[in-house]
Amino acid sequence: EAGVAQSPRYKIIEKRQSVAFWCNPISGHATLYWYQQILGQGPKLLIQFQNNGVVDDSQLPKDRFSAERLKGVDSTLKIQPAKLEDSAVYLCASSRRTGGNTEAFFGQGTRLTVV
Amino acid sequence: SQQGEEDPQALSIQEGENATMNCSYKTSINNLQWYRQNSGRGLVHLILIRSNEREKHSGRLRVTLDTSKKSSSLLITASRAADTASYFCATVKDAGNQFYFGTGTSLTVIP
Repeated sequence: EAGVAQSPRYKIIEKRQSVAFWCNPISGHATLYWYQQILGQGPKLLIQFQNNGVVDDSQLPKDRFSAERLKGVDSTLKIQPAKLEDSAVYLCASSRRTGGNTEAFFGQGTRLTVV
Repeated sequence: SQQGEEDPQALSIQEGENATMNCSYKTSINNLQWYRQNSGRGLVHLILIRSNEREKHSGRLRVTLDTSKKSSSLLITASRAADTASYFCATVKDAGNQFYFGTGTSLTVIP
């Protein structure tokens, strides 16, 4: 099966600019996640979707970050305006279902550099 | 924080040796999973252990889970240079299937 697709792979922007990342999960996967991974740290969950509904966005900085998953398939994550501390790799992942005992499949990530 | 913590932060061994890394967490869990991340890549699932299991094997991997101590360990036997990567534990708290990752162990296997 095709994996989780993310684009772009790399993005460099100036602070206060806006940026958007795109994710296409594995076909049939109901659950989609966005993670932020700062260099040298573990991935931090930003938002989790179940189909097109939000399950958990407790760690999403809602004043500048937004995410949507229209039609329960593709998803976009937006940052507006970006800050220097947003420099990180943004990882998208998907899993088949809720109910535990299932693994997450990750895309290769988008490396964001804010200058 | 719901994140786990791995130790050591970094581990360097010779090819053929065994590598052990540990994960501690704070909350009750449904299951615990281990993932591997090569430099510049996404994470890849290695193994899942349920909260009612104590030990699990998969190839050269052996995972243990002690829910009373809220800890897990990952053992990689007969390591290879290709095992060089960062390893993360992820706790899954309940049926909501939120994955919370630890801080990771960076493993270097020297040929």
